[in-house]
Amino acid sequence: DIQMTQSPSSLSASVGDRVTITCRASQSISSDINWYQQKPGQAPKLLIYAASSLRSGVSLRFSGSGSGTDFTLTISSLQPEDFATYYCQQSYSTPYTFGQGTKLEIK
Amino acid sequence: QVQLQESGPGLVKPSEALSLTCTVSGRSINTYYWTWIRQPAGKGLEWIGRISSSGRTNYNPSLKSRINMSLDTSKNQFSLSLSSVTAADTAVYYCARVGEGWGTVTFFDYWGQGILVTVSS
Repeated sequence: DIQMTQSPSSLSASVGDRVTITCRASQSISSDINWYQQKPGQAPKLLIYAASSLRSGVSLRFSGSGSGTDFTLTISSLQPEDFATYYCQQSYSTPYTFGQGTKLEIK
Repeated sequence: QVQLQESGPGLVKPSEALSLTCTVSGRSINTYYWTWIRQPAGKGLEWIGRISSSGRTNYNPSLKSRINMSLDTSKNQFSLSLSSVTAADTAVYYCARVGEGWGTVTFFDYWGQGILVTVSS
């Protein structure tokens, strides 16, 4: 199985900050990575697919980059609604696997 | 607008089978792959498996011996059965659609709200 390692596990930031979350794959996955946002009591929501493609309707504050084994999700200017847990997920091969999550909290 | 809704018992006894159904509206299940994902309380996401519109399945090897997925196209539903459950199978279970981009790009674009299944006697 491909292991996805996210860092940091948790992050405290303020409204207006720029934040970056990193995901590393245990082997090359090309650009086959997706990013999700999950708020308490809700299902995950797709933000970014194929490493850098923004899902329609998702704020332009969100962007993704990377290829091979190292990937990043960046939020350009944090808004109150962005405080949530973020997961990366590889779609390169089954079994699909997720990172352990990054909990973004208000400082 | 694609919507998914999980249904099934919220409590299952150890060693018995867990059975869940996902009802899809707004899109026929005769296209796309459909998938199940679970999340124990306070923990991360685990992919369980997927089923294609033709009934072809791929399961997570960690659960493969206990899983069965099926489709009911007449009801626009797909289902999950997980046998011989233990407390470790207690989780919120989500159904989702496997969306497709260009080439081999896939992602989980529409999700149900999730259903909590507790394994306990």
